[in-house]
Amino acid sequence: DVVMTQSPLSLPVTLGQPASISCRSSQSLVHSDGNTYLHWFQQRPGQSPRRLIYRVSNRDSGVPDRFSGSGSGTDFTLEISRVEAEDVGVYYCMQNAHWPPWTFGQGTKVEIK
Amino acid sequence: EVQLVESGGGLVRPGGSLRLSCAASGFTFINAWMTWVRQAPGKGLEWVGRIKSKSDGGTADYAAPVKGRFTISRDDSKTTLFLQMNSLTTEDTGMYYCSTGAYWGQGTLVTVSS
Repeated sequence: DVVMTQSPLSLPVTLGQPASISCRSSQSLVHSDGNTYLHWFQQRPGQSPRRLIYRVSNRDSGVPDRFSGSGSGTDFTLEISRVEAEDVGVYYCMQNAHWPPWTFGQGTKVEIK
Repeated sequence: EVQLVESGGGLVRPGGSLRLSCAASGFTFINAWMTWVRQAPGKGLEWVGRIKSKSDGGTADYAAPVKGRFTISRDDSKTTLFLQMNSLTTEDTGMYYCSTGAYWGQGTLVTVSS
């Protein structure tokens, strides 16, 4: 199975400041169809997960443009340009380039300093 | 508007069974590959399994910890996804979500305890 490793696992941030989460996979996430199947999810406290970014850098509908995704191969990053209070929660990267199974990172908890 | 509404969770004894349902609306269910993901209390997300659309074969794949005990099925006429869970253990305790990948339900809580 593909192992997904996120860092940091805890990220205290100041409101209005940027934040960055790294996600590394144990093998390349480039599928034979040429697409890279790496996605980012947000889980606010007490809520179900919500997909923010699909296939590395595509924002889902309704996701604020302060969220952006980048990367290639095995190294990926989720960036929040200016953190807002509503961004508090746990962020997960997930791959489904090589499945079964889909595999998730351990999660990064974003909190306000 | 896409809606996924899970139901069927509850308290069950170790060794028992439970059947979860996920009522879907707002998208073309018959064409969708549907997924179950679970989350143990205070833990991260774990993929449980996925079922293809019938036009793509309708087969299901499972995570190793549930293979042989869990069965995913679908009723396209009722736009409903199911998860039959047998031989439950305390390790199966958690919130169970159905998902299209892009959309997620609110989850249903399964507690396995004596």
